Amino acid sequence: IAGITQAPTSQILAAGRRMTLRCTQDMRHNAMYWYRQDLGLGLRLIHYSNTAGTTGKGEVPDGYSVSRANTDDFPLTLASAVPSQTSVYFCASSDRDAGSYNEQFFGPGTRLTVL
Amino acid sequence: GQNIDQPTEMTATEGAIVQINCTYQTSGFNGLFWYQQHAGEAPTFLSYNVLDGLEEKGRFSSFLSRSKGYSYLLLKELQMKDSASYLCAVMDSNYQLIWGAGTKLIIKP
Repeated sequence: IAGITQAPTSQILAAGRRMTLRCTQDMRHNAMYWYRQDLGLGLRLIHYSNTAGTTGKGEVPDGYSVSRANTDDFPLTLASAVPSQTSVYFCASSDRDAGSYNEQFFGPGTRLTVL
Repeated sequence: GQNIDQPTEMTATEGAIVQINCTYQTSGFNGLFWYQQHAGEAPTFLSYNVLDGLEEKGRFSSFLSRSKGYSYLLLKELQMKDSASYLCAVMDSNYQLIWGAGTKLIIKP
């Protein structure tokens, strides 16, 4: 693999179900991010991780959890999905050691529909 | 609060020049990014400005004025493939990106 991969590409989910969105990068970036993108709104940060073993809350963390057991993987879990979590989810990574430049590279996204 | 403003939609003609503006109010400033996003795809990096002035990269240029909280992306010699959304994002004092809603650019023949 090269860059960032996300799985699944798309998913339709019943409300109340648990769902994990997967994200893997092979660039050895220390920082990883989860965003959601909704029509008419900018990308909104859900959770982030500056390095393996640490995570932090972004702008819209409620209803989501993350873990960062290693450098490459950063799964996002919806414990009990609700219709308002219908969105396109993007995972991103960056090399914070590159200084303040910190360009973020994005995965292809997961389109999630909660019914 | 933190705020990034950019026009919702713009239309331009193939071969022409278009300027997409972005104004921002953020807690701290560690640089401004422009990303391009084609429909149904992921954002991809276009440019980064941290000092005042113009950064040129081929047909694309980006300008920053920190005192005015203002940036623009200039696209020259427009091609049909430039039809996309252009996202402005500011890196705040915590080194997190604050994103604008994006400007959808429509190119007409």
